Amino acid sequence: EAQVTQNPRYLITVTGKKLTVTCSQNMNHEYMSWYRQDPGLGLRQIYYSMNVEVTDKGDVPEGYKVSRKEKRNFPLILESPSPNQTSLYFCASSLSVGTAVNYGYTFGSGTRLTVV
Amino acid sequence: AQKVTQAQTEISVVEKEDVTLDCVYETRDTTYYLFWYKQPPSGELVFLIRRNSFDEQNEISGRYSWNFQKSTSSFNFTITASQVVDSAVYFCALSEASDSNYQLIWGAGTKLIIKP
Repeated sequence: EAQVTQNPRYLITVTGKKLTVTCSQNMNHEYMSWYRQDPGLGLRQIYYSMNVEVTDKGDVPEGYKVSRKEKRNFPLILESPSPNQTSLYFCASSLSVGTAVNYGYTFGSGTRLTVV
Repeated sequence: AQKVTQAQTEISVVEKEDVTLDCVYETRDTTYYLFWYKQPPSGELVFLIRRNSFDEQNEISGRYSWNFQKSTSSFNFTITASQVVDSAVYFCALSEASDSNYQLIWGAGTKLIIKP
C-alpha cells in the first residue's frame, strides 16, 4: 500500500531531551515536507526537501533539523525540545515539486508531540 | 502575500441540515490551486477536492459540493443533508505555481459539529 509512515503517533517528552520523529514513504517521491498544526493557525511548513541531500527551510524552521540521506526517509529532529513545540506534526510527500503544487501531497497520519 | 481565511471557527448544526463552510483566499498568482481537506477526530488528513484557478466549474460529489468564484476569491464547501460522520475539522488550502517552497498555505480550519 502506498503510504507515508510516521513514528511515533504519540510522544510525551521533557524539555531539552533530543528526539527524532521518523517519516518514510514507499512511493519513490522526490518531494517531502514537514508541517506542524496548531489551533487557530492551520498547518505551517517547517522544512522541505526537493530530493536527496537537498533540504530547505519553510516558514517555521526554528528549533528543528531535518536530513534527507535517502529518498524514502525524511526524519524531523528536535535537538532541544521546548514546550512551544508541543504540536501535531505531519510529514507529507509528493512525486515532484510540480505535483506538490498541482495536486498536493500524501500525508502521514500525524505525530502528536507534547513537551513538558 | 498569499493567505487563506476560514472565518468560521466552529459550526454546529443538527443532522440533516445543510451547512456551508466558507473559504476566502488571497494570491497574486494567476495560476494556483485550491484544496479542501477533512480532519476527523482521529487526526489524519483526508483529501476531498482540488481545483485549479482556470476551472471555475462547481463540483458535486454525493452530498458534497464546492463553489469556486474567482470574482470573490472564494472556494466554499457545502454539505447537504449533513450526517454525524461529517463531524470533523475542515481545512481549505492554497498552493501557488510561483511558490519557491512548493507549500500549501492553510486556513485555520472550521470545526463542524453535527448533532444527532
